[in-house]
Amino acid sequence: GAVVSQHPSRVICKSGTSVKIECRSLDFQATTMFWYRQFPKKSLMLMATSNEGSKATYEQGVEKDKFLINHASLTLSTLTVTSAHPEDSSFYICSASLASSTDTQYFGPGTRLTVL
Amino acid sequence: GQNIDQPTEMTATEGAIVQINCTYQTSGFNGLFWYQQHAGEAPTFLSYNVLDGLEEKGRFSSFLSRSKGYSYLLLKELQMKDSASYLCAVLISGNTPLVFGKGTRLSVIA
Repeated sequence: GAVVSQHPSRVICKSGTSVKIECRSLDFQATTMFWYRQFPKKSLMLMATSNEGSKATYEQGVEKDKFLINHASLTLSTLTVTSAHPEDSSFYICSASLASSTDTQYFGPGTRLTVL
Repeated sequence: GQNIDQPTEMTATEGAIVQINCTYQTSGFNGLFWYQQHAGEAPTFLSYNVLDGLEEKGRFSSFLSRSKGYSYLLLKELQMKDSASYLCAVLISGNTPLVFGKGTRLSVIA
């Protein structure tokens, strides 16, 4: 089956620093990757849609200058949380979609970010 | 806007059967997904329905009625490890983000 990995799985950083999270599709090419954020006991909230070779599309209310997304290849998308603050502490999950429009999305294992 | 409704919490007994309902009103429809999510983990894929009817996969089955905007996930022979959140999600069109419901937290008790 399709496998998506994320790195790191857990990160603790100081307020004001930047953190980069990688999302990789290991055995398939993903033209589109999605980034979600999930607060405790809440549902997934879509942050942005990332298409290979083009700028990401951000959801309303998500600051594109704070959450930088780069989708440089068909197997890698990165999310950089810049100048992190404690309120950015959350579970960040990526998913990747196969080329076919009716295929499901496969989720990465998630990255738990804690900003002190 | 897009609207997906599912119950917030459910409790069921080990060995029993439980049905988790999901209703949706969306601007388009290209399939409905069910995901299981254990606390602190990412969602895992359970099922995908795009045509009306019942899809059975082991202890889990999923049903879809497009005319009614309705789906359910049926879990049989419940086990303690089935305690998790179950997310209903609709694919509006093509390669677009899934629209998720808020999830149903299922607790399986002895």
